[in-house]
Order: sequence, then structure tokens, then C-alpha cells
Amino acid sequence: QVQLQESGPGLVKPSETLSLTCTVSGYSISSDYYWGWIRQPPGKGLEWIGSIYHSGSTYYNPSLKSRVTISVDPSKNQFSLKLSSVTAADTAVYYCARGTTIFGVVGYFDYWGQGTLVTVSS
Amino acid sequence: QSVLTQPPSASGTPGQRVTISCSGSTSNIGSNYVYWYQQLPGTAPKLLIYRNNQRPSGVPDRFSGSKSGTSASLAISGLRSEDEADYYCAAWDDSLSGYVFGTGTKVTVL
Repeated sequence: QVQLQESGPGLVKPSETLSLTCTVSGYSISSDYYWGWIRQPPGKGLEWIGSIYHSGSTYYNPSLKSRVTISVDPSKNQFSLKLSSVTAADTAVYYCARGTTIFGVVGYFDYWGQGTLVTVSS
Repeated sequence: QSVLTQPPSASGTPGQRVTISCSGSTSNIGSNYVYWYQQLPGTAPKLLIYRNNQRPSGVPDRFSGSKSGTSASLAISGLRSEDEADYYCAAWDDSLSGYVFGTGTKVTVL
């Protein structure tokens, strides 16, 4: 079955760049789905960060777009997130997920990773 | 602050029917599909409803979704203790050009 696993540092210093990788198993990332990142600050709600297709086509949250880069590596069946100039407000559980597009816009996310907590602190 | 508004909490006794509302606007719910996610404590969200009212394989038919105008609803019938979770609606917003989640509703089984 489809499985996703996030990996990366659990602690990032303010002003530095947060980097996470999602490894997909049980499904080829080059097949017909988008791959996304969603985050959840402790005790708060969900926030979509962005989504990418295996071709490199991307959708980004406009409020984060200036700081976010999502890339894909089909050869490793992985996709990655980079978030620059982080502050304490970026402390959250970060989830990767398999997603769809419907009529050219982001649809639903049907498979999720377990999430990884990233804390921004000096 | 989300553009999709949900009540912070809802509750019911086992067997009851609980309904959660999701209020949006013409740029999101009014013109795009609505999705619902269930997040059990300490776990990742799970897709519950897609395309307004469709259930993925494995989701019990006790869960149902509907949409009217700029609002949507999730109904849980025959409430069970394992339904105690946070529930989020979501939709694409044409004005924001982004995917937005609702504020979330915590369902408690009394």
C-alpha cells in the first residue's frame, strides 16, 4: 500500500532554512498524482504549504510562496520541502501527503505521512 | 485566520447524530469541491469525504457530506466513541489561489 515518511532535522535555528524530505513507497511518484506538504502548529489547525507534480509543476500557498521551494526526485521516489528564513511561528508538525488536482486546482489528500515535528529555536 | 469557518466543538451521546458546519464564500465552497478530514488524537489527518459527498473506500456510511451554496456540512450518524476526533473541511479558494482548511471542530462523545 501507499506509504509516506517524512525525514529531516527536528530543530532549526531562527533565520535558517528548514529542509524536509518525504520518501514514498508502494507507489511511483511519477504516476498521476500531486505530492504535497501540510503543516500544523502545536494545538492549532492545518495549513497547506504547497503541492508538486512529478514534472515539477507546483502550487504554493500565497502566504508562504516567497519562502517555499518544493522539489521532486523521481529517481529516489522522493519529494522535498525547503522553507527559508524561519521563525518560531514556523514551529509545527509537517506532513507530506499524496494529493490530486481536480479541474486544475488542488483537490484532496488521500495518503498522509505520520508527520514530523520541527521546532524553530536557538 | 481561515476563510472556512467551523464551530470549535460539537458533542453527542453514543448513537446520536452530530452535524458539523463549514461556512465559506463564493470563491471557495461556492465554486469548488469540499473535502472533509478526520484527525484522531496524535495521528495524521485521514480523508473522510471528497467531492462534497463521496466516501473513500473503507469510510463507514455513518459519515455523510453535503453542500449548499457557500456552506457545507458533515454528518455523523450513530455516533461511536471512536469518532471522537478533530474534523476539518477544506476547499480550493479561487481568490486566494490556494487550498484552505477550515478552523476545525472537536467532536466529543459524551
